[in-house]
Amino acid sequence: KNEVEQSPQNLTAQEGEFITINCSYSVGISALHWLQQHPGGGIVSLFMLSSGKKKHGRLIATINIQEKHSSLHITASHPRDSAVYICAVNTGETSGSRLTFGEGTQLTVNP
Amino acid sequence: NAGVTQTPKFQVLKTGQSMTLQCAQDMNHEYMSWYRQDPGMGLRLIHYSVGAGITDQGEVPNGYNVSRSTTEDFPLRLLSAAPSQTSVYFCASSRGPLSYEQYFGPGTRLTVT
Repeated sequence: KNEVEQSPQNLTAQEGEFITINCSYSVGISALHWLQQHPGGGIVSLFMLSSGKKKHGRLIATINIQEKHSSLHITASHPRDSAVYICAVNTGETSGSRLTFGEGTQLTVNP
Repeated sequence: NAGVTQTPKFQVLKTGQSMTLQCAQDMNHEYMSWYRQDPGMGLRLIHYSVGAGITDQGEVPNGYNVSRSTTEDFPLRLLSAAPSQTSVYFCASSRGPLSYEQYFGPGTRLTVT
């Protein structure tokens, strides 16, 4: 079992729909990252959070440390949101500190 | 700022050849890392550096070497390319350890025949 599991693996939505992508992890963490990878391949950081909730525009990320779970929500989805969304966790070890990545969720938003 | 730059964007090697993937950042970030991305798998850490002169192995270091002589540059060397090293390689940097925002380069697509 992977340390970071994302669901669903693939998601197709119609423009305007509310979208939720889930991330569960099995280890203690100090931070969780949500990343976006566009069809061209570039990866950008969307959120880094260690507790609670963050919001940027139409994107909202939440984390529940006790349940080891995070969600990424997209409100009023748009075709330009089509991308792979990746969850990554920092286990917070001081030496050998590293990110462990989920396999990603492929989102397609149709007009 | 250019952010994180990687060269080349594409490369084809024959088995046994060596090459260096270049990575540079202009944000004065201490932490830099190299990842490979393969279909059906998450990004995997190859090597990382917490500052000039300091490097360490990640999850999949075999067949790769790194050095960090300056804060800006973190090249990845393939010593003797193998088909199993066919992948997309990403360099990333951050201001500090991994609880800081990560900045990724555009990636290098490497094919080893």
